[in-house]
Amino acid sequence: DGGITQSPKYLFRKEGQNVTLSCEQNLNHDAMYWYRQDPGQGLRLIYYSQIVNDFQKGDIAEGYSVSREKKESFPLTVTSAQKNPTAFYLCASSIVQGPRRNQPQHFGDGTRLSIL
Amino acid sequence: KQEVTQIPAALSVPEGENLVLNCSFTDSAIYNLQWFRQDPGKGLTSLLLIQSSQREQTSGRLNASLDKSSGRSTLYIAASQPGDSATYLCAVSPHGSSNTGKLIFGQGTTLQVKP
Repeated sequence: DGGITQSPKYLFRKEGQNVTLSCEQNLNHDAMYWYRQDPGQGLRLIYYSQIVNDFQKGDIAEGYSVSREKKESFPLTVTSAQKNPTAFYLCASSIVQGPRRNQPQHFGDGTRLSIL
Repeated sequence: KQEVTQIPAALSVPEGENLVLNCSFTDSAIYNLQWFRQDPGKGLTSLLLIQSSQREQTSGRLNASLDKSSGRSTLYIAASQPGDSATYLCAVSPHGSSNTGKLIFGQGTTLQVKP
C-alpha cells in the first residue's frame, strides 16, 4: 500500500540543537515538499524538490535545510538558526512530469516539533 | 503575490444540514484549485481538484465550484454528518507552477457537525 511515512510523530528540540525530520515515500512521485503549519493557520512551504539532487527554497526557508539524495527520501533539518521551530511539519509528494502530473498532492501524517 | 482566504474560520451546524465553505484568491491566473480535509493531528486528504478550465467537480456528497474571474471557489457539502467534522483547506496552484506542483493554502475552515 503506497504512501508517505513521516517520523518521528513527536520531536523535542533543545536550545542550540539541530534536529532532522524524516520523510519517505513509496509512490514513485518525482516531487516532494515540506510545509509548516502553525495553530489556526494554513500550510506554508519551506522547501520543495522536483528531482533528485535538486531542491528550491519556499516561502519560509530560513533556519531549515534539506537534501534529496534518493527519489524516495526528503529529510528536513531544523537548525538552531530557526528561533521559533514549534509547529506541525507536513511532508507531501506529487507527480509533476508526464501525463499523470495534474494530480493532488499526497501528505504524510506529520511531525509535531516542540522546544524543551 | 497570490493570497488565499477562507471564511468563516469556524462553522458549527446540526446534522443533516447542507452547507457551503468559501475560498477566495487574489490572482485569477491559476493552474488548478484543490480542496483538502484535515483531521486533528493528521495530514491532509485530497477531496477535489478543479482544473483552471473547469467550473466544478463532484464526489459523492461534495461539490466544488470554481469562478476564476471573481477569484472564488465554494465547497458544498450535502446532508452533513458528524463524520464530516474536520478542517477544510483550500489551495491554489499558481499559473506557471505545473512543473513544480507548488500550492498556496488558505487558513482553513474548521467544521463541527453536531448530532
